[in-house]
Amino acid sequence: DGGITQSPKYLFRKEGQNVTLSCEQNLNHDAMYWYRQDPGQGLRLIYYSQIVNDFQKGDIAEGYSVSREKKESFPLTVTSAQKNPTAFYLCASSTTGHGYTFGSGTRLTVV
Amino acid sequence: AQSVSQHNHHVILSEAASLELGCNYSYGGTVNLFWYVQYPGQHLQLLLKYFSGDPLVKGIKGFEAEFIKSKFSFNLRKPSVQWSDTAEYFCAVNEGTGANNLFFGTGTRLTVIP
Repeated sequence: DGGITQSPKYLFRKEGQNVTLSCEQNLNHDAMYWYRQDPGQGLRLIYYSQIVNDFQKGDIAEGYSVSREKKESFPLTVTSAQKNPTAFYLCASSTTGHGYTFGSGTRLTVV
Repeated sequence: AQSVSQHNHHVILSEAASLELGCNYSYGGTVNLFWYVQYPGQHLQLLLKYFSGDPLVKGIKGFEAEFIKSKFSFNLRKPSVQWSDTAEYFCAVNEGTGANNLFFGTGTRLTVIP
């Protein structure tokens, strides 16, 4: 079945560490997205990529970085510069006329 | 940028009651509209979407939504809720056609009491 795979499901990070969240899709979608979900705030866009080797900042990109070297993959790095990284992170992909497909998310906790 | 407003933060209903969740957006141009549901511990699932055509859209599990362009609204409805509808519901909008960013409302938590 086609879909989006996010890993790991749970991730713990020490303060000052960088961590990378994986997102892989086999839907042949051109666009991929990273959202952050916090209680009472809905989903906020971190970064998005419309095509391979190109990506754009979303509304809350500070402290995050991404790469898009392959169409299937859009990893997100949460850097030590992100002051409040504890959150639920959702990856999504889309193609024209078909809406968005979401992964099952990664819950990141800073310890 | 778009803004999407969901007026109800938490709605509590008894089984068989009717549901209407409000959603308003700010963009005046062509929009695509979505409602997503997130059941406890699960990922976001698409309930329904509107791209064009009939403004009354029917989705899965008996949900429907009506696009009223003049009111910039896309309210979600269900005539008779079930306990299994307990979840968080998100309205989302993107601008025009193409793989554009999806802007989300803050969500409405629905609790259905058996």
